[in-house]
Amino acid sequence: QKEVEQDPGPLSVPEGAIVSLNCTYSNSAFQYFMWYRQYSRKGPELLMYTYSSGNKEDGRFTAQVDKSSKYISLFIRDSQPSDSATYLCAMSAGGYQKVTFGTGTKLQVIP
Amino acid sequence: SQTIHQWPATLVQPVGSPLSLECTVEGTSNPNLYWYRQAAGRGLQLLFYSVGIGQISSEVPQNLSASRPQDRQFILSSKKLLLSDSSFYLCAWRGQGDSGANVLTFGAGSRLTVL
Repeated sequence: QKEVEQDPGPLSVPEGAIVSLNCTYSNSAFQYFMWYRQYSRKGPELLMYTYSSGNKEDGRFTAQVDKSSKYISLFIRDSQPSDSATYLCAMSAGGYQKVTFGTGTKLQVIP
Repeated sequence: SQTIHQWPATLVQPVGSPLSLECTVEGTSNPNLYWYRQAAGRGLQLLFYSVGIGQISSEVPQNLSASRPQDRQFILSSKKLLLSDSSFYLCAWRGQGDSGANVLTFGAGSRLTVL
């Protein structure tokens, strides 16, 4: 079993839809959770960062962490064609511990 | 502000030729530096990381090597490329996020094709 599982998609949604992206993990030591967005042929860019359980909102994006279920989510409201990218979840135990990535979910928002 | 540069952006090399990919970071001192490889549909694979000049840790044994000749410079090398080395290579540095934790910041990547 992989430490972090992420559905690779692709996920196609119409413009304006609410998108839900998810990851599950097995390592209970993970405390820091990140979402990266990666456009084609570009490096990943940090989108959201959360510590421990709870929600964090930034504009149209909401990151949610449920440590009891070992489950994290990224919600995108009012999705736009410019949101079309691959979304990678990442997590670590903190400090300078290794960051473990999901394989990424490819999202396409159709105009 | 901190920036990270990677070059070359694109590289086509014959099998058996040498490789040198460079990464530099600006606006920070003594960063932790990382080299990742990303194959299509396979996620990010950590290759090397460095906590200081001359200090290199290898995560996966292969025909690649890394060096850190200066505080903010990280180099990925190979003496003889294999077809299987074709991939997208990413350099990253690690800085402080909220609550004292560390997040990775990536460069734009170097796409290597070995023919």
